[in-house]
Amino acid sequence: EAEVAQSPRYKITEKSQAVAFWCDPISGHATLYWYRQILGQGPELLVQFQDESVVDDSQLPKDRFSAERLKGVDSTLKIQPAELGDSAMYLCASSKDGTLNQPQHFGDGTRLSIL
Amino acid sequence: LAKTTQPISMDSYEGQEVNITCSHNNIATNDYITWYQQFPSQGPRFIIQGYKTKVTNEVASLFIPADRKSSTLSLPRVSLSDTAVYYCLVGGARQLTFGSGTQLTVLP
Repeated sequence: EAEVAQSPRYKITEKSQAVAFWCDPISGHATLYWYRQILGQGPELLVQFQDESVVDDSQLPKDRFSAERLKGVDSTLKIQPAELGDSAMYLCASSKDGTLNQPQHFGDGTRLSIL
Repeated sequence: LAKTTQPISMDSYEGQEVNITCSHNNIATNDYITWYQQFPSQGPRFIIQGYKTKVTNEVASLFIPADRKSSTLSLPRVSLSDTAVYYCLVGGARQLTFGSGTQLTVLP
C-alpha cells in the first residue's frame, strides 16, 4: 500500500462538472507533485510545490486546473469544468526536499473518467 | 532535461536475469539516474538510483558506464510478479520527465 494517500481512488463525472482530488504526502516531505497519466503513457508533471509555494506549474492548464497546498502539508487538485480529454490517472508524489538525490514516493492515484 | 530512450517492451522467463538499458546522451553533470517500477492501477515505485559506476540494493543493480550516456537496470532471477512497466528518469533537482517506459513481461 502506498505511503502517500490519495482520494478518491475512482471518480466518474460528466463533462462540464467540477472535480477535486486530494493528496496527503509522507509526513515531513516538503516537496509535493501532481502528475497526470494517460493510459499507455508515462506520468506527466502538472505542478510541483515546495512547502506551500508553487515552483513549477508550466504544464498545468490554468484555464481549468488549479492546485493548492495551503499549509504546506496536504494538497488539492481541482478541474473546473471537466472535459472528455481529462480522463486519466492523477498521481500525487512527495519527496523530502526535491533535491538531487531524493526519490519521489507516489500514491496509487485517482482514476478519473469523464462521461 | 535529459531525454531518455528505452525499449518499448521486453519478454523474459522466470528465473532469468533481465537487463533493461536506457540511453541518455544529454545527461548533465549534476544529473542522477533513477528507475521506477509501475504495476497497473498503481503509482510508480522507486527501485534504484545512481550517479556513476554500480549501485546495488536488495532488488536490483544499476550499471552506469564512465561516460554516463546510458545506464542498465539489472533484475536478477525475475519472477512473474516482476511483470510491470519500468521507467528510467534522468535529472537533477527536478527528475520530472517520464518517457513511455519499458513493458517487461515475465513468462512462466
